Amino acid sequence: AQSVSQHNHHVILSEAASLELGCNYSYGGTVNLFWYVQYPGQHLQLLLKYFSGDPLVKGIKGFEAEFIKSKFSFNLRKPSVQWSDTAEYFCAVNAYGNNRLAFGKGNQVVVIP
Amino acid sequence: GAVVSQHPSWVICKSGTSVKIECRSLDFQATTMFWYRQFPKKSLMLMATSNEGSKATYEQGVEKDKFLINHASLTLSTLTVTSAHPEDSSFYICSARMSEAIADTQYFGPGTRLTVL
Repeated sequence: AQSVSQHNHHVILSEAASLELGCNYSYGGTVNLFWYVQYPGQHLQLLLKYFSGDPLVKGIKGFEAEFIKSKFSFNLRKPSVQWSDTAEYFCAVNAYGNNRLAFGKGNQVVVIP
Repeated sequence: GAVVSQHPSWVICKSGTSVKIECRSLDFQATTMFWYRQFPKKSLMLMATSNEGSKATYEQGVEKDKFLINHASLTLSTLTVTSAHPEDSSFYICSARMSEAIADTQYFGPGTRLTVL
């Protein structure tokens, strides 16, 4: 079964700082990769996803993620965060052909104005 | 598009009672729905996969008789927590997929906070 690791559960940074959240998974086959965001009091929303093709994926709100197959990683980045990016971010993986998503434990990101 | 709703958003019940949570796909037909449980400061844990018109597939360690899932239509799945106990208190989240495409996205509901006294 696949598993997903997210480090640095709590991240605090100032507006305009750059953000990078790490995501590593353990599964040897083809995978689909996702980042979801959960704003305070709201439900999970899809930020971006990777299925195939260009390993650098651009999502909503200026976020991007890079799939590095050799490192089993799918790190999320944003060059300049805003206060409104305060949220919890979840990385998720499913094996190709498998419905079931495995989630990481999430990163709680707080952006200080 | 791709909106998923859950009802109720929160519920408080006494130990020993049963609670039903509904998950609806509002603007699309969901061939597959998923039920997750989220503990404080922890990840989402998949409980079961529900396909319309067939029995749900439960993850290892999830009691089928405790968490009854019914997927009666392409827009509705229900989770019933039977004889709830305080340890069942949690945040329950459903998600839905539009199709059986291999690389399809899950859309999540807002969750239901269950507190068992």
